[in-house]
Amino acid sequence: NAGVMQNPRHLVRRRGQEARLRCSPMKGHSHVYWYRQLPEEGLKFMVYLQKENIIDESGMPKERFSAEFPKEGPSILRIQQVVRGDSAAYFCASSPGTGFAGELFFGEGSRLTVL
Amino acid sequence: EDKVVQSPLSLVVHEGDTVTLNCSYEVTNFRSLLWYKQEKKAPTFLFMLTSSGIEKKSGRLSSILDKKELFSILNITATQTGDSAIYLCAVDYGGSQGNLIFGKGTKLSVKP
Repeated sequence: NAGVMQNPRHLVRRRGQEARLRCSPMKGHSHVYWYRQLPEEGLKFMVYLQKENIIDESGMPKERFSAEFPKEGPSILRIQQVVRGDSAAYFCASSPGTGFAGELFFGEGSRLTVL
Repeated sequence: EDKVVQSPLSLVVHEGDTVTLNCSYEVTNFRSLLWYKQEKKAPTFLFMLTSSGIEKKSGRLSSILDKKELFSILNITATQTGDSAIYLCAVDYGGSQGNLIFGKGTKLSVKP
C-alpha cells in the first residue's frame, strides 16, 4: 500500500505524558501536513513540513507541540505533557514536491485519548 | 475571520434519493474549493473547483462553484448505502500550500 501511513492508529496517554505520532507520506511525496480534528469540529491545519524544514507552523499551539520531518524516516508530531483537551484525531496528509495541484492525500489518522 | 460553513450538518435519506450538500465560504484570498469524502478511514479527494459555473462530474457525484455568491454544492444522484459518509468542504484561502480551511462536514446517512 503506497498510501499515507500513520501510526499508531490509537494512542492512550495519561495527563502529563508525551505522545508521538508518526506519518510516512505517500511514495514520491516530500511535503507533509498535519491536521487536528476535535470532536464535532472540522479539520484544523497545524503545520506544513518539507524534508528537514518547517514551512508553516501557524496552526501549531505555541507550547508543548512540535513537529519534524527528518531527512530519513517519518514525520513526527510530538505533544509533550498532554492534557485532556489534546484528545483528538490527528491526520497527516502529503503532496508531491513539484506540480502541486491542490489535492492533499490523507492518512487514516491517529486517535489520541488523554485520560 | 476566514470561515467555511457547511449545511446541513446531517442528513438521512433513502437509497435512490438525490441529495444536495451546501458549502458557503468567506475568505480573504480565494484560490480553490475542494470536496472530500470521509468514511471511517482517510478523507478521500472528490473534486477541486476554481472557476465559477463549471460543473465537475464523477459518476453520480457532481459539484459546482459560484464565486459571486461564495458557495458550492455537491450533488449525489441515485444514492446508495455506500455513499454514507461525512462530506467535507475545504477552501484554499491563499495561505501556504496545503493550508486549507475545512467546514465541519455534512454527515450523510443513506438507508436501504
